[in-house]
Amino acid sequence: QKEVEQDPGPLSVPEGAIVSLNCTYSNSAFQYFMWYRQYSRKGPELLMYTYSSGNKEDGRFTAQVDKSSKYISLFIRDSQPSDSATYLCAIRNAGKSTFGDGTTLTVKP
Amino acid sequence: KAGVTQTPRYLIKTRGQQVTLSCSPISGHRSVSWYQQTPGQGLQFLFEYFSETQRNKGNFPGRFSGRQFSNSRSEMNVSTLELGDSALYLCASSLRRPGTGGDETQYFGPGTRLLVL
Repeated sequence: QKEVEQDPGPLSVPEGAIVSLNCTYSNSAFQYFMWYRQYSRKGPELLMYTYSSGNKEDGRFTAQVDKSSKYISLFIRDSQPSDSATYLCAIRNAGKSTFGDGTTLTVKP
Repeated sequence: KAGVTQTPRYLIKTRGQQVTLSCSPISGHRSVSWYQQTPGQGLQFLFEYFSETQRNKGNFPGRFSGRQFSNSRSEMNVSTLELGDSALYLCASSLRRPGTGGDETQYFGPGTRLLVL
């Protein structure tokens, strides 16, 4: 079993839709939770970072962490075609990040 | 502030050769980590360096090695290349200070795309 499991997708939504991206993890020692966005042939770009249960909002993006269920989510409101990318969840502890396999999102105009 | 830079951006090698990739972290960042990204295995942690010392290591064979210089720049080396080493190699830097905390937020470079023929 992988330490981090990410809903595989791919996901295709119309512009303006609310997108939900999800990951589960198995190791309760994980302390830091991150979401990255990766465009084709580019390095991952950090979107959200949190270390506590609850919600963290940044513009159209909301990261949600439920440590009791070992479940993390990223919500994108009013999705735009420019949001089309692969989204990676990452869980970090003691200097090592473990990534999900990524969910590819396409937002159609 | 300049981001993480990696050189070269693209590389083609043949089996059995060795390769050295370079990474310059964000100014002030002393922690540098390396990752391998492939379609089949995703993003996998190779190793982390801080203050010229390897602090963490992933599950890769000894053919993969790295080092860090006093200016925090880092290199990774892969010897005796295999076809399966074809991948995007990513470097990330952070303000993390092993053992004493610090911001764990990692910032990635654009990667070096290695093709082994």
